[in-house]
Amino acid sequence: AQKVTQAQTEISVVEKEDVTLDCVYETRDTTYYLFWYKQPPSGELVFLIRRNSFDEQNEISGRYSWNFQKSTSSFNFTITASQVVDSAVYFCALSDTGRRALTFGSGTRLQVQP
Amino acid sequence: GAGVSQSPRYKVAKRGQDVALRCDPISGHVSLFWYQQALGQGPEFLTYFQNEAQLDKSGLPSDRFFAERPEGSVSTLKIQRTQQEDSAVYLCASSLVDVQADTQYFGPGTRLTVL
Repeated sequence: AQKVTQAQTEISVVEKEDVTLDCVYETRDTTYYLFWYKQPPSGELVFLIRRNSFDEQNEISGRYSWNFQKSTSSFNFTITASQVVDSAVYFCALSDTGRRALTFGSGTRLQVQP
Repeated sequence: GAGVSQSPRYKVAKRGQDVALRCDPISGHVSLFWYQQALGQGPEFLTYFQNEAQLDKSGLPSDRFFAERPEGSVSTLKIQRTQQEDSAVYLCASSLVDVQADTQYFGPGTRLTVL
């Protein structure tokens, strides 16, 4: 069965610090997809990235970067030079073969202090 | 363009009442999903539609939960005889095509409180 673990419940940083959010997943499938979503206080989940299991290249988008390592079943998310607007709950999610549903982790609450 | 919308945004029900939660997906999106998010937890899958067909309802917690999408667009999640443990945020998501891992776009959710 699939599982996503986000061991960090809450992280607090000061503006301009770099922060990494950890995500570890479990699946028996060789084809799967990983996602990150952001949930600001308004409650709406905002899609950030999708990565398939065959593409281990790291990805950078502005201040955001993602590190996918199949060897450790991890898909970590780094925010460089954090800003107050980054304060939110961040969810990692998994979709594996045959299922349309996403399996979410329990989320990491990030608080960026000015 | 309009995103996924849900109504009502907040619903308070007395234990034992029936409730109906509405989801308007992004226009043209084939797939529609319902998730339940308890306080401090990640969303958990309830059910999924491809157009009007409900293809997976494995996440519905009991037969008190029922979902429909009769015309392949708007969907309604109905909870009968609500219980306190049903208190949660109910999230709807839609995706453009029906393939594995097509990006799901979420609505703002309906926060249900059962007293």
